[in-house]
Amino acid sequence: EEILVESGGGLVQPGGSLTLSCLGSRFIFSSYWMTWVRQVPGKGLEWVAAISEDGTKTYYLDSVRGRFSISRENANASVTLRLNSLRAGDTAIYYCARVFVDGSVYRPFDFWGQGALVTVTS
Amino acid sequence: DVVMTQSPESLVVSLGERATINCRSSQSVLNSGTGKNYVAWYQQRPGQPPRLLLYWASTRDFGVPERFSGSGSGTSFSLTISSLQAEDVALYFCQQYYFLPFSFGQGTKLDLK
Repeated sequence: EEILVESGGGLVQPGGSLTLSCLGSRFIFSSYWMTWVRQVPGKGLEWVAAISEDGTKTYYLDSVRGRFSISRENANASVTLRLNSLRAGDTAIYYCARVFVDGSVYRPFDFWGQGALVTVTS
Repeated sequence: DVVMTQSPESLVVSLGERATINCRSSQSVLNSGTGKNYVAWYQQRPGQPPRLLLYWASTRDFGVPERFSGSGSGTSFSLTISSLQAEDVALYFCQQYYFLPFSFGQGTKLDLK
């Protein structure tokens, strides 16, 4: 079965930075877009960012554009989300998920990691 | 941006009974050329990540029991569990994946009576 494992979560002060990583295995990582979705525990899901298979295209939720940065290293089957200028409202569990994109046809998020908790507090 | 609105927010159903969750999109997510609706449904059990149940509004993902079905087109969709089992207690989310930014409904909490 496919595996996605997030790491890098933790406690950070408002205005601080954090880097989340997600390692994939048991599938062809370079064939998939990768995305990050966040969730306040027990609440709704919010898509945050996505990156194309080759890393040349990136997309962001408006509220994080300019503060968050997504990147990937296919050789290491990893995707990274750099979180800067963090706010209390960014507190959430951050999940990485894979998405197959066939040309311009998006598919649903068919496999998710277990998540990494980011807590922004003074 | 497309807003997905789910109802109800919570649902309490007896074992063996039917459960239906509704989802409405603020604009059509139907590709008229292919006839496909870009709607997915996810199940999230306590302490677990979301799991894909259905996509294209009505296609079950691998290993999803037949009691889960989806219907709808355009802007109105529903997820039905025909005979509720104890393991179906979870949060359920709809999602549109037609437009960026991808968007989810706010979730429906399904509990046992």
